[in-house]
Amino acid sequence: DAGVTQSPTHLIKTRGQQVTLRCSPKSGHDTVSWYQQALGQGPQFIFQYYEEEERQRGNFPDRFSGHQFPNYSSELNVNALLLGDSALYLCASNRTGFSYEQYFGPGTRLTVT
Amino acid sequence: AQTVTQSQPEMSVQEAETVTLSCTYDTSENNYYLFWYKQPPSRQMILVIRQEAYKQQNATENRFSVNFQKAAKSFSLKISDSQLGDTAMYFCAFSRNAGGTSYGKLTFGQGTILTVHP
Repeated sequence: DAGVTQSPTHLIKTRGQQVTLRCSPKSGHDTVSWYQQALGQGPQFIFQYYEEEERQRGNFPDRFSGHQFPNYSSELNVNALLLGDSALYLCASNRTGFSYEQYFGPGTRLTVT
Repeated sequence: AQTVTQSQPEMSVQEAETVTLSCTYDTSENNYYLFWYKQPPSRQMILVIRQEAYKQQNATENRFSVNFQKAAKSFSLKISDSQLGDTAMYFCAFSRNAGGTSYGKLTFGQGTILTVHP
């Protein structure tokens, strides 16, 4: 049973560019959440997707957007990258109604230069 | 808004000994979950233990147990018989439990780096 997978593992981008990160949830899970973890800090909630809709959003600018596909996989898009967007981006999934059992992926390390 | 505070940036313990990590939180909610997550250098965030606020009994998972003091809004993690594999960053986290509207957004603390020495 595959857990949560994320791609790519590492990514280097230049300021002003756009980036897309991908997440495949654990088998049987239909809800995907995204978190940003700056170096040495705790993760911060970006948003959550369920039934292809953004259901809840944290305190992040509109440059951060997402998408969920019919197979429950999800993408996180960040436009006009800033140096401060450098972080580990974590994806978590769960079954609806079981939000207390979120499984995390290994993350994508984004470096903005 | 909820906040989670971990006041110990770093802790260390000898193998086989016991260590306690501290966490306090602030919320006006009455029904919620508290979690301890472990993040080793591999970066994978792993759930260690979960506590439901309406349950008075402290949660235990093998060598891991919590001391949940709801009135004091305190939620500490005790690791018994520490092992080298316990070396990791540990995060305390909070989630509302408001039925269908809570959705499980996690609010994390700043983390505590735990090093287990042989």
